[in-house]
Formats: sequence, C-alpha cells, structure tokens
Amino acid sequence: EVQLVESGGGLVQPGGSLRLSCAASGFTVSDNYMNWVRQAPGKGLEWVSVFYSGGATVYADSVKGRFTISRDNSKNTVYLQMSDLRAEDTAVYYCARDPLPGSYHAFDLWGQGTMVTVSS
Amino acid sequence: DIQMTQSPSSLSGSVGDRVTITCRASQYISTYLNWYQQKPGKAPKLLIFAASSLQSGVPSRFSGSGSGTDFTLTISSLQPEDFATYYCQQSYSTPWTFGQGTKVEVK
Repeated sequence: EVQLVESGGGLVQPGGSLRLSCAASGFTVSDNYMNWVRQAPGKGLEWVSVFYSGGATVYADSVKGRFTISRDNSKNTVYLQMSDLRAEDTAVYYCARDPLPGSYHAFDLWGQGTMVTVSS
Repeated sequence: DIQMTQSPSSLSGSVGDRVTITCRASQYISTYLNWYQQKPGKAPKLLIFAASSLQSGVPSRFSGSGSGTDFTLTISSLQPEDFATYYCQQSYSTPWTFGQGTKVEVK
C-alpha cells in the first residue's frame, strides 16, 4: 500500500527540540520531492520545507535556521528536526509527496499528521 | 512571497447546488495552481492540479479553471460528502503558499 506515516510529535517546552519522522511505503522517497506542511489549530495550511530528489532543501522563512529536513534512503524515511521551538510552531505536521515528473508540484499523497504542542 | 487570496471564506449550500470558489494570486503564476479538500481531523486531499487537471479518482463534478492570477474551483452539483474546507495552493515558486481556505457548509 502506498502511504506516508508520520511520528514523533508531542509536547515540548519553548526552546526545546523534536524530530519528526515520515516513513514511506509503496514508493521510493528519493524519486520524489518530499515536503512538510503544518496546520495550527483551527488555522489554514502552511508549507514548511521540501527535500528535492537531488538533495537540495528549501525552507519557509518562519522556520529557516531552526528546522532541518533530511532523508534516509535506506529507511525510505524523511525527517524534520525542529529546534528552538516556539509557541507559534504548535500545529499538526503533515508529510506530503510531490511526485515527479510533471506534477506541477502538487501534493498527491499525505500522511495522517502528527501533533506538535509547544508549551510550558 | 506569492500571496493567495480565496473568496468567499465560507459559503452555505444545499445538495445539488453549483458552487464556485475563487482564488487570486498576488502575481503571475501561469497554471501552477492546485486545489485541495480537507475534512475535519483529516489530511488534505488533492482534487485539481495544474489549474484544471483532475486528480485520479476525483469525481468529475469537480473542475478547475484559470491562468495567470485568477482561478476558480467549481463543484457542479454539491454532494453530502463535499461539505469540507477547500484550499488553493500556488506551486510556481517557493515558498509554496496556500489560500486561507473556503469552508463549504450545509445551508
């Protein structure tokens, strides 16, 4: 079955760190652009980061310098290392696939999401 | 960054209604515009990519149009399972950005 499964969310204090995982099955992450998208409670969708198939990465300004996206091809998994967490980082974090080629960078496969709460 | 503005923010409709949601980009994005549906507690689902291409498995009552800066999502005949929130997303340049969402509610 083709799917994405996120894990690693939880409650963390301001200034703390957390690593999210996105395990893929049924396809190879390195053949796709893999993204993280978040949604604060009751709010809209906010794109966070992308790991391009060639290895380049891009971040939203709101997380640049604090979050790091990475990929482990042997585990077919994408990660989001989050540090210096702030209350405004509280959200459900989704992993999303941008398939290649010709996808127009649309996200055709999403995980179920993992909740991150930043609070003291 | 490219700003995406959807209208309306919410609308009420009845089963069978024709519904149109608009999305405007703050600058030219060609047809790099995608539409998603999200139901409460669930991940978004891709409906339309490249402004007008229907994602596999999506009912044909959904359609998209537009290019440049102005786009529309149309539901030709609203069904009970279509009550949800809809988001547009530009994929012309990073950071990819979403509209604020349009909630389609039961009248």
